[in-house]
Amino acid sequence: EAGVAQSPRYKIIEKRQSVAFWCNPISGHATLYWYQQILGQGPKLLIQFQNNGVVDDSQLPKDRFSAERLKGVDSTLKIQPAKLEDSAVYLCASSSWTDLSSYNEQFFGPGTRLTVL
Amino acid sequence: KNQVEQSPQSLIILEGKNCTLQCNYTVSPFSNLRWYKQDTGRGPVSLTIMTFSENTKSNGRYTATLDADTKQSSLHITASQLSDSASYICVVREDGNNRLAFGKGNQVVVIP
Repeated sequence: EAGVAQSPRYKIIEKRQSVAFWCNPISGHATLYWYQQILGQGPKLLIQFQNNGVVDDSQLPKDRFSAERLKGVDSTLKIQPAKLEDSAVYLCASSSWTDLSSYNEQFFGPGTRLTVL
Repeated sequence: KNQVEQSPQSLIILEGKNCTLQCNYTVSPFSNLRWYKQDTGRGPVSLTIMTFSENTKSNGRYTATLDADTKQSSLHITASQLSDSASYICVVREDGNNRLAFGKGNQVVVIP
């Protein structure tokens, strides 16, 4: 079974520039998550999708961050404009609500490491 | 606010030795607790999951314990290997919703 795919793996931009990250979840997983992980910290949830609808975006800085999952499969996360404090690893995860035996385990992608200069 | 605290923040151990990582949480109501292993440059991977009624769960050389009364969990690594060098993250799920509380992780470095 293929895992969660993310691209790019690394991105370096200057502050005030824009950047976009892409995520392809595990096939059949209805729930998709974007997390921000700052160095030395645990992941922080930015947004959760159920199919193509937003379930939780309470911690998403909506003035500069946006995310979409138009067809309920792939998702993109955008930052515009980027700030220095956005330097972090952006993790995408997916889970299947129908697989009760897994207790809704979230499977994580490798992440995109963003450096804002 | 629901929190998960892990200790020690980091440790260095010799290959072949054992170590124990601690996780204290205040998440309530409690659903389950997972320990994830995150290798450098990779996403977290689940090692164990425990629910309220489970006290111990093993996965190879990894053994997790849970005391739901005191809201404490531990992850014991037996006969450590160089490949155990990673961050170990304690994650607690709040009952009734899909919300997770993440610890900051225990950074383990195994040296030969």
